[in-house]
Amino acid sequence: EADIYQTPRYLVIGTGKKITLECSQTMGHDKMYWYQQDPGMELHLIHYSYGVNSTEKGDLSSESTVSRIRTEHFPLTLESARPSHTSQYLCASSGGQSSNQPQHFGDGTRLSIL
Amino acid sequence: GESVGLHLPTLSVQEGDNSIINCAYSNSASDYFIWYKQESGKGPQFIIDIRSNMDKRQGQRVTVLLNKTVKHLSLQIAATQPGDSAVYFCAENSGTYKYIFGTGTRLKVLA
Repeated sequence: EADIYQTPRYLVIGTGKKITLECSQTMGHDKMYWYQQDPGMELHLIHYSYGVNSTEKGDLSSESTVSRIRTEHFPLTLESARPSHTSQYLCASSGGQSSNQPQHFGDGTRLSIL
Repeated sequence: GESVGLHLPTLSVQEGDNSIINCAYSNSASDYFIWYKQESGKGPQFIIDIRSNMDKRQGQRVTVLLNKTVKHLSLQIAATQPGDSAVYFCAENSGTYKYIFGTGTRLKVLA
């Protein structure tokens, strides 16, 4: 069983607010990822990290930012939320030397911006 | 461009029957493939993976088949149960940070 946790699970908030979505894993994985997923659709990579102090943007352009100060923690921040940010955000991690390792996912944060 | 897609968006199967979920991929450089199961309100859950040096791998009630010639991947679920109802995603990796996910197939198990 994977040990990766996301909070909050659900968030409904007004436009213009600053939001931080939390993601923590207890597996000591070096690589962590953030995906955006609309209902019934594929996952789109928005950020990833190879390790502490390493962050990169993914394929899908996003106004969010991330940080990786500790191995186990990979928070995602929206400085000023907009309705277009409404979506589900999934955090994942993977370990091992090879990139051919499965990703372990959290249960996601479902974000609604009013 | 690279893509991973699924032939059937929804699959309905009678309880106890076998299910087969298909996936096509276009990147011939992909060498690692994963099947995930996603239940409502949860994140994707790892089911089984396969590397390109294999053409078949079996798990508990699940089998993944890889046909590199036609770039096709399938997930077979034996004796499908109500708890198998979910959306199933395939994903591919070509040795980079990038995992490419398909849209997903919804599996409905009929009682």
